[in-house]
Amino acid sequence: ETGVTQTPRHLVMGMTNKKSLKCEQHLGHNAMYWYKQSAKKPLELMFVYNFKEQTENNSVPSRFSPECPNSSHLFLHLHTLQPEDSALYLCASSQGIGGGKKETQYFGPGTRLLVL
Amino acid sequence: RKEVEQDPGPFNVPEGATVAFNCTYSNSASQSFFWYRQDCRKEPKLLMSVYSSGNEDGRFTAQLNRASQYISLLIRDSKLSDSATYLCVVTSGGGYQKVTFGTGTKLQVIP
Repeated sequence: ETGVTQTPRHLVMGMTNKKSLKCEQHLGHNAMYWYKQSAKKPLELMFVYNFKEQTENNSVPSRFSPECPNSSHLFLHLHTLQPEDSALYLCASSQGIGGGKKETQYFGPGTRLLVL
Repeated sequence: RKEVEQDPGPFNVPEGATVAFNCTYSNSASQSFFWYRQDCRKEPKLLMSVYSSGNEDGRFTAQLNRASQYISLLIRDSKLSDSATYLCVVTSGGGYQKVTFGTGTKLQVIP
């Protein structure tokens, strides 16, 4: 399936680097999400965008900076990360928010990030 | 109490067995419920939504009990390909979407 794509698939970065993760959805959806998945922990919702507007920011440190230029694209800009930020970062999209089938989320394959 | 709680397992069951997973949630205002499946080192994929009346999709049956605040997933006639981690997902609306995932229950179907 290529409904939601993410690049890069793997990323190794130093603590002083700046990098960006990219997500693109080809499903005509209006809502997009960033999640963090660490080993043995549940998926943690980081950010929600609905019609390009950020509607949720789950107390994410400022070293993670999202950007949503349009409903199809979502970026996560990374700078001065810590080793504990190493995780799988998943992007998802849904038709909308607010109940029912619209909320069904479709996930991209994720970016596996390692911070050294 | 965790917002969404699942038994992490693993559940090791023989092929052909019936297995059931439960998931409890703490927010009584939760609106939508889903089961996702995640294979090792892959992204989560929707298995099924969970409706108040219960719903069935082939060998899979999902139930919602709002009074007791839990949802369940029943898998009949387990196949080797059912081996995966099953994630319970609960959302609440109200103008924004709060999405909470459980830690997942690992299922291993054994030949």
